[in-house]
Amino acid sequence: SQQGEEDPQALSIQEGENATMNCSYKTSINNLQWYRQNSGRGLVHLILIRSNEREKHSGRLRVTLDTSKKSSSLLITASRAADTASYFCATDASNNNDMRFGAGTRLTVKP
Amino acid sequence: EPEVTQTPSHQVTQMGQEVILRCVPISNHLYFYWYRQILGQKVEFLVSFYNNEISEKSEIFDDQFSVERPDGSNFTLKIRSTKLEDSAMYFCASSAWRLDTQYFGPGTRLTVL
Repeated sequence: SQQGEEDPQALSIQEGENATMNCSYKTSINNLQWYRQNSGRGLVHLILIRSNEREKHSGRLRVTLDTSKKSSSLLITASRAADTASYFCATDASNNNDMRFGAGTRLTVKP
Repeated sequence: EPEVTQTPSHQVTQMGQEVILRCVPISNHLYFYWYRQILGQKVEFLVSFYNNEISEKSEIFDDQFSVERPDGSNFTLKIRSTKLEDSAMYFCASSAWRLDTQYFGPGTRLTVL
């Protein structure tokens, strides 16, 4: 299976600190995407990084991709209480378009 | 900003009944998807749809499931005879192109009694 697996499963930090979440996957991919989900709500797309890219930024988010290690990381800088959510990575394999999600990292940012 | 919409937000049904979940993808998108998330579990891919036919489906998407694009805007998921284990959040998504960002709707919570 090419699905991503996030690490850690849960992360608790203080407001203002940085949060780093990791994702590993098993097969070759086209893209890796990070999503956020607030409890019981829909998935909000954060960043898409393509297999030929190594790093992308969007505001306080920084995503890296290491295809040799089949891993990605999501860094949220200067975290806020509103960043509290579950964060998922999703990968699509080279030969198809269905995305496989990991179990997610539950991030709690304490005010 | 364009968004994917889904109706209803919550559907309660009796086991064995048919349900239809509706989605309106982003208007200029060509690829459509359904995913589900059982409470506390991973988001799971069900099916992708392009050019009026299924392009990929998972092992979850068995004969009880079907998808349709009945007109130019709606994309539906039908479950013919619901089971208790079909209780989940069902998400619709769409993308402009095959390997592009998938934008998700807010989901329909299906409860099978």
